[in-house]
Amino acid sequence: KAGVTQTPRYLIKTRGQQVTLSCSPISGHRSVSWYQQTPGQGLQFLFEYFSETQRNKGNFPGRFSGRQFSNSRSEMNVSTLELGDSALYLCASSPLAGVNEQFFGPGTRLTVL
Amino acid sequence: AQSVSQHNHHVILSEAASLELGCNYSYGGTVNLFWYVQYPGQHLQLLLKYFSGDPLVKGIKGFEAEFIKSKFSFNLRKPSVQWSDTAEYFCAVNADNQGGKLIFGQGTELSVKP
Repeated sequence: KAGVTQTPRYLIKTRGQQVTLSCSPISGHRSVSWYQQTPGQGLQFLFEYFSETQRNKGNFPGRFSGRQFSNSRSEMNVSTLELGDSALYLCASSPLAGVNEQFFGPGTRLTVL
Repeated sequence: AQSVSQHNHHVILSEAASLELGCNYSYGGTVNLFWYVQYPGQHLQLLLKYFSGDPLVKGIKGFEAEFIKSKFSFNLRKPSVQWSDTAEYFCAVNADNQGGKLIFGQGTELSVKP
């Protein structure tokens, strides 16, 4: 079974721009979660989606948004990028909503200049 | 707010030494507990998990962890580490009212000297 895939793997943007990151879960998995990983703050939860519905949201500003499509693929969007948004963005999938083992993708490394 | 604390930021051991990494969480309700590992250049991978039942759980690669509810702890152990265990280790907690949200500790970097 293919693992979680994330595209693109690397991205460089400038302040003020917006960015869209994509995540394809493991086949058959219907839940997708997003995390931000930085050296200073560690791994922080962004959102959780199941059946195209956001079930949970972390403490991030409204510039961070996401969605999930009917095929369970998910995208997250960050608008008006700030330098502090530079991070590794990780997507994780699991078969069902709620408590499950989450399988992580390789991440998208976003650099904001 | 729930939080997870990993006591050691960087641990250096020689091969064959025993390992114990501490993890404490703050949440008074039911929790599900995880240890993830990130080898250099690789994805986060699950080492082991605790949902219920026997508080001593065994994971992959000879790792085990013990859930002590009274101490709000879930420490990771391995009797004899190998050079290939060099990685960053993350403890994560899921609270019963938080859906699939994982709260991670800051991570512990383990370096094993051959």
